[in-house]
Amino acid sequence: AQTVTQSQPEMSVQEAETVTLSCTYDTSESDYYLFWYKQPPSRQMILVIRQEAYKQQNATENRFSVNFQKAAKSFSLKISDSQLGDAAMYFCAYRSPDGGSQGNLIFGKGTKLSVKP
Amino acid sequence: DSGVTQTPKHLITATGQRVTLRCSPRSGDLSVYWYQQSLDQGLQFLIQYYNGEERAKGNILERFSAQQFPDLHSELNLSSLELGDSALYFCASSARVAYSGNTIYFGEGSWLTVV
Repeated sequence: AQTVTQSQPEMSVQEAETVTLSCTYDTSESDYYLFWYKQPPSRQMILVIRQEAYKQQNATENRFSVNFQKAAKSFSLKISDSQLGDAAMYFCAYRSPDGGSQGNLIFGKGTKLSVKP
Repeated sequence: DSGVTQTPKHLITATGQRVTLRCSPRSGDLSVYWYQQSLDQGLQFLIQYYNGEERAKGNILERFSAQQFPDLHSELNLSSLELGDSALYFCASSARVAYSGNTIYFGEGSWLTVV
Protein backbone atom coordinates (compact mmCIF):
# COMPACT_ATOMS: atom_id res chain seq x y z
CA ALA A 1 0.00 0.00 0.00
CA GLN A 2 1.11 3.51 -0.69
CA THR A 3 2.09 5.81 2.14
CA VAL A 4 2.85 9.50 2.37
CA THR A 5 5.14 10.95 5.02
CA GLN A 6 5.53 14.56 6.04
CA SER A 7 8.35 14.65 8.54
CA GLN A 8 7.93 18.27 9.63
CA PRO A 9 4.89 18.70 11.89
CA GLU A 10 5.53 22.45 12.11
CA MET A 11 7.51 25.01 10.18
CA SER A 12 7.98 28.74 10.51
CA VAL A 13 9.05 31.36 7.98
CA GLN A 14 9.57 35.09 7.99
CA GLU A 15 7.33 37.11 5.72
CA ALA A 16 8.89 37.56 2.24
CA GLU A 17 11.29 34.67 2.83
CA THR A 18 11.31 31.24 1.21
CA VAL A 19 10.36 27.99 2.89
CA THR A 20 10.41 24.38 1.75
CA LEU A 21 8.05 21.72 3.04
CA SER A 22 9.12 18.09 2.72
CA CYS A 23 7.14 15.08 1.58
CA THR A 24 8.20 11.55 0.84
CA TYR A 25 6.06 8.69 -0.37
CA ASP A 26 6.32 4.99 -0.84
CA THR A 27 4.91 3.23 -3.88
CA SER A 28 5.68 0.44 -6.30
CA GLU A 29 3.76 2.13 -9.08
CA SER A 30 5.58 3.93 -11.87
CA ASP A 31 2.79 6.29 -12.80
CA TYR A 32 0.89 8.37 -10.29
CA TYR A 33 -0.07 11.90 -9.31
CA LEU A 34 1.07 14.06 -6.44
CA PHE A 35 -0.66 17.05 -4.91
CA TRP A 36 -0.18 19.70 -2.29
CA TYR A 37 -3.31 20.95 -0.55
CA LYS A 38 -3.52 23.92 1.79
CA GLN A 39 -5.88 24.03 4.74
CA PRO A 40 -6.12 27.51 6.29
CA PRO A 41 -7.85 28.17 9.62
CA SER A 42 -11.18 28.16 7.77
CA ARG A 43 -10.50 24.40 7.33
CA GLN A 44 -11.30 24.38 3.62
CA MET A 45 -9.00 22.15 1.55
CA ILE A 46 -7.51 24.18 -1.28
CA LEU A 47 -5.44 22.71 -4.10
CA VAL A 48 -2.05 24.37 -4.31
CA ILE A 49 -0.24 22.41 -6.98
CA ARG A 50 -0.16 19.05 -8.75
CA GLN A 51 2.52 16.96 -10.42
CA GLU A 52 2.25 14.06 -12.84
CA ALA A 53 4.91 11.43 -12.19
CA TYR A 54 5.59 10.96 -15.89
CA LYS A 55 6.57 14.60 -16.25
CA GLN A 56 10.18 15.41 -15.48
CA GLN A 57 9.54 19.13 -15.30
CA ASN A 58 8.69 20.40 -11.86
CA ALA A 59 5.28 22.04 -11.54
CA THR A 60 5.04 25.75 -10.74
CA GLU A 61 2.08 27.90 -9.74
CA ASN A 62 3.05 31.52 -9.14
CA ARG A 63 4.99 31.59 -5.83
CA PHE A 64 4.59 27.84 -5.33
CA SER A 65 6.87 25.28 -6.92
CA VAL A 66 7.78 21.68 -6.29
CA ASN A 67 10.97 19.69 -6.36
CA PHE A 68 9.94 16.27 -7.62
CA GLN A 69 12.60 13.59 -7.27
CA LYS A 70 11.02 10.39 -8.59
CA ALA A 71 13.90 8.06 -7.81
CA ALA A 72 14.09 9.34 -4.27
CA LYS A 73 10.27 9.38 -3.98
CA SER A 74 10.42 12.94 -2.75
CA PHE A 75 7.99 15.77 -3.46
CA SER A 76 8.82 18.99 -1.65
CA LEU A 77 6.92 22.27 -1.86
CA LYS A 78 8.74 25.58 -2.05
CA ILE A 79 6.91 28.76 -1.17
CA SER A 80 8.69 31.91 -2.30
CA ASP A 81 8.07 35.43 -1.01
CA SER A 82 5.96 34.04 1.84
CA GLN A 83 2.87 36.02 2.75
CA LEU A 84 0.80 36.10 5.92
CA GLY A 85 -2.01 34.40 4.01
CA ASP A 86 0.21 31.39 3.42
CA ALA A 87 -0.11 30.42 7.07
CA ALA A 88 -1.97 27.12 7.02
CA MET A 89 -1.69 23.37 7.31
CA TYR A 90 -0.20 21.87 4.17
CA PHE A 91 -0.96 18.33 3.12
CA CYS A 92 0.92 16.26 0.60
CA ALA A 93 -1.23 13.70 -1.23
CA TYR A 94 -0.72 10.76 -3.58
CA ARG A 95 -3.08 9.36 -6.15
CA SER A 96 -2.77 6.03 -7.96
CA PRO A 97 -3.12 5.90 -11.74
CA ASP A 98 -6.24 3.74 -11.57
CA GLY A 99 -7.77 5.65 -8.70
CA GLY A 100 -6.77 2.95 -6.29
CA SER A 101 -8.76 1.27 -3.58
CA GLN A 102 -7.61 3.62 -0.88
CA GLY A 103 -9.79 6.44 -1.97
CA ASN A 104 -7.83 8.02 -4.70
CA LEU A 105 -6.06 10.46 -2.40
CA ILE A 106 -3.66 9.27 0.28
CA PHE A 107 -2.69 12.12 2.57
CA GLY A 108 0.29 12.78 4.76
CA LYS A 109 -0.31 14.02 8.29
CA GLY A 110 0.37 17.61 7.34
CA THR A 111 2.82 20.40 8.13
CA LYS A 112 1.62 23.47 9.99
CA LEU A 113 3.23 26.56 8.50
CA SER A 114 3.43 29.80 10.47
CA VAL A 115 4.40 33.07 8.82
CA LYS A 116 5.98 35.74 10.99
CA PRO A 117 5.49 39.40 10.07
CA ASP B 1 -14.71 28.80 -3.99
CA SER B 2 -14.22 25.23 -5.24
CA GLY B 3 -17.78 24.86 -6.50
CA VAL B 4 -18.49 21.95 -4.16
CA THR B 5 -21.33 22.80 -1.77
CA GLN B 6 -21.87 21.10 1.54
CA THR B 7 -24.68 21.48 4.06
CA PRO B 8 -24.96 21.92 6.94
CA LYS B 9 -21.72 23.69 7.81
CA HIS B 10 -22.07 22.92 11.50
CA LEU B 11 -24.11 20.33 13.32
CA ILE B 12 -24.37 19.41 16.98
CA THR B 13 -26.21 16.26 17.95
CA ALA B 14 -26.45 13.75 20.75
CA THR B 15 -25.02 10.27 20.95
CA GLY B 16 -27.22 7.63 19.40
CA GLN B 17 -28.76 10.02 16.91
CA ARG B 18 -28.68 9.97 13.12
CA VAL B 19 -27.67 12.82 10.81
CA THR B 20 -27.49 13.37 7.07
CA LEU B 21 -24.82 15.45 5.39
CA ARG B 22 -25.49 16.73 1.91
CA CYS B 23 -23.13 17.54 -0.95
CA SER B 24 -23.57 19.09 -4.36
CA PRO B 25 -20.55 18.48 -6.62
CA ARG B 26 -19.06 20.96 -9.03
CA SER B 27 -21.13 21.41 -12.15
CA GLY B 28 -20.39 18.56 -14.54
CA ASP B 29 -18.46 16.43 -12.05
CA LEU B 30 -19.56 12.81 -11.94
CA SER B 31 -17.43 11.57 -9.06
CA VAL B 32 -18.17 12.37 -5.44
CA TYR B 33 -15.94 11.47 -2.52
CA TRP B 34 -16.43 11.64 1.23
CA TYR B 35 -13.53 12.14 3.62
CA GLN B 36 -13.40 12.38 7.38
CA GLN B 37 -10.90 14.58 9.18
CA SER B 38 -10.41 14.06 12.89
CA LEU B 39 -7.63 15.13 15.21
CA ASP B 40 -6.33 11.64 15.87
CA GLN B 41 -6.96 9.96 12.51
CA GLY B 42 -6.08 12.74 10.10
CA LEU B 43 -7.75 12.75 6.68
CA GLN B 44 -9.39 9.45 5.88
CA PHE B 45 -11.26 8.38 2.80
CA LEU B 46 -14.73 7.04 3.42
CA ILE B 47 -16.38 6.31 0.10
CA GLN B 48 -16.56 7.33 -3.55
CA TYR B 49 -19.44 7.38 -6.01
CA TYR B 50 -19.29 7.74 -9.75
CA ASN B 51 -22.44 8.66 -11.66
CA GLY B 52 -24.66 7.09 -9.03
CA GLU B 53 -22.68 3.90 -8.47
CA GLU B 54 -20.37 3.10 -5.60
CA ARG B 55 -16.82 3.13 -6.93
CA ALA B 56 -14.52 2.65 -3.97
CA LYS B 57 -14.90 2.14 -0.28
CA GLY B 58 -12.44 3.09 2.39
CA ASN B 59 -12.58 3.16 6.17
CA ILE B 60 -16.31 3.70 6.35
CA LEU B 61 -18.07 2.27 9.40
CA GLU B 62 -21.09 0.05 9.01
CA ARG B 63 -23.11 2.72 10.86
CA PHE B 64 -22.36 5.08 7.99
CA SER B 65 -23.83 4.92 4.52
CA ALA B 66 -23.90 7.12 1.46
CA GLN B 67 -25.58 7.44 -1.87
CA GLN B 68 -25.42 9.53 -5.01
CA PHE B 69 -28.67 10.57 -6.61
CA PRO B 70 -29.55 10.94 -10.32
CA ASP B 71 -28.93 14.68 -10.11
CA LEU B 72 -25.42 13.74 -8.84
CA HIS B 73 -25.79 15.23 -5.38
CA SER B 74 -24.73 12.93 -2.59
CA GLU B 75 -25.70 12.31 1.00
CA LEU B 76 -23.71 10.76 3.81
CA ASN B 77 -25.82 9.20 6.54
CA LEU B 78 -24.31 8.73 9.98
CA SER B 79 -26.31 6.72 12.50
CA SER B 80 -25.98 5.54 16.10
CA LEU B 81 -23.57 8.39 16.57
CA GLU B 82 -20.76 8.12 19.08
CA LEU B 83 -18.54 10.78 20.60
CA GLY B 84 -15.69 9.57 18.40
CA ASP B 85 -17.64 10.42 15.28
CA SER B 86 -17.10 14.11 15.97
CA ALA B 87 -15.09 15.33 13.02
CA LEU B 88 -15.00 17.47 9.92
CA TYR B 89 -16.60 15.65 7.01
CA PHE B 90 -15.50 16.70 3.56
CA CYS B 91 -17.23 16.10 0.31
CA ALA B 92 -15.13 16.38 -2.83
CA SER B 93 -15.71 15.94 -6.52
CA SER B 94 -13.84 15.36 -9.74
CA ALA B 95 -14.79 15.16 -13.38
CA ARG B 96 -14.31 11.57 -14.45
CA VAL B 97 -13.07 8.53 -12.59
CA ALA B 98 -11.63 7.11 -15.80
CA TYR B 99 -8.87 9.66 -15.66
CA SER B 100 -7.41 9.41 -12.21
CA GLY B 101 -5.26 12.44 -12.81
CA ASN B 102 -8.32 14.60 -12.45
CA THR B 103 -7.91 16.94 -9.57
CA ILE B 104 -10.21 16.37 -6.62
CA TYR B 105 -11.84 19.56 -5.38
CA PHE B 106 -13.07 19.82 -1.82
CA GLY B 107 -16.04 21.52 -0.28
CA GLU B 108 -15.79 23.56 2.90
CA GLY B 109 -16.73 20.62 5.08
CA SER B 110 -19.45 19.86 7.59
CA TRP B 111 -18.45 20.12 11.22
CA LEU B 112 -20.14 17.40 13.25
CA THR B 113 -20.04 17.55 17.02
CA VAL B 114 -21.53 14.65 18.95
CA VAL B 115 -22.28 15.40 22.59
